[in-house]
Amino acid sequence: EAQLLESGGGLVQPGGSLRLSCAASGFTFSSYGMSWVRQAPGKGLEWVSGFSGSSSSTYYADSVKGRFTISRDNSENTVYLQMNSLRAEDTAVYYCARPVYADYYYYGLDVWGQGATVTVSS
Amino acid sequence: QSALTQPASVSGSPGQSITIFCSGSSGDVGGYNHVSWYQQSPGKAPKFMIYDVSIRPSGVSDRFSGSKSGNTASLTISGLQAEDEADYYCSSYTRSTTHVVFGGGTRLTVL
Repeated sequence: EAQLLESGGGLVQPGGSLRLSCAASGFTFSSYGMSWVRQAPGKGLEWVSGFSGSSSSTYYADSVKGRFTISRDNSENTVYLQMNSLRAEDTAVYYCARPVYADYYYYGLDVWGQGATVTVSS
Repeated sequence: QSALTQPASVSGSPGQSITIFCSGSSGDVGGYNHVSWYQQSPGKAPKFMIYDVSIRPSGVSDRFSGSKSGNTASLTISGLQAEDEADYYCSSYTRSTTHVVFGGGTRLTVL
């Protein structure tokens, strides 16, 4: 069974940094693209970042471009989200998610982690 | 990239059918057959319910069905059950640089 497990959330001051990790198991991680999706308190889902399986290209929502960096370590079956220059509006639960079509992070997300909570506050 | 438009809330009684609409544009919903739907219960991660407009993943009840007409996609739930009460989100491939956009979400209340 495919599973994703996020870690690394916490409380950080505005302007600070945090790195989220998402450990994958139960599938061939290296063949898949991945996405990060967040949900601010009481709000809807917002796609944050992603990459396709066969490409080194990465993609970001305008709201995080230049501040967040997505990366992967196939030897560790882990995808990361490095978050810098954090703002109050980045406060959210962050989910990592696997695409239903391995190579395309944008055609539907069939496996989700339980989420990691990030709170940006002084 | 603007979010897809969904009604804030819908409701129905047990046994009834309801439909949630997801409105976009020719640059997303109308232009591609890559609309997905997710169900999210309070405090839980989203659950994948429909992809490519109308395909149900293994394990999803056949009471859930998806369709599309023009720039609007829809999720229909038939034989409404109390356990269907949740938030529902649509998403679509989009030709924008991000390639994916979500709807604002619809809260389904089972009366």
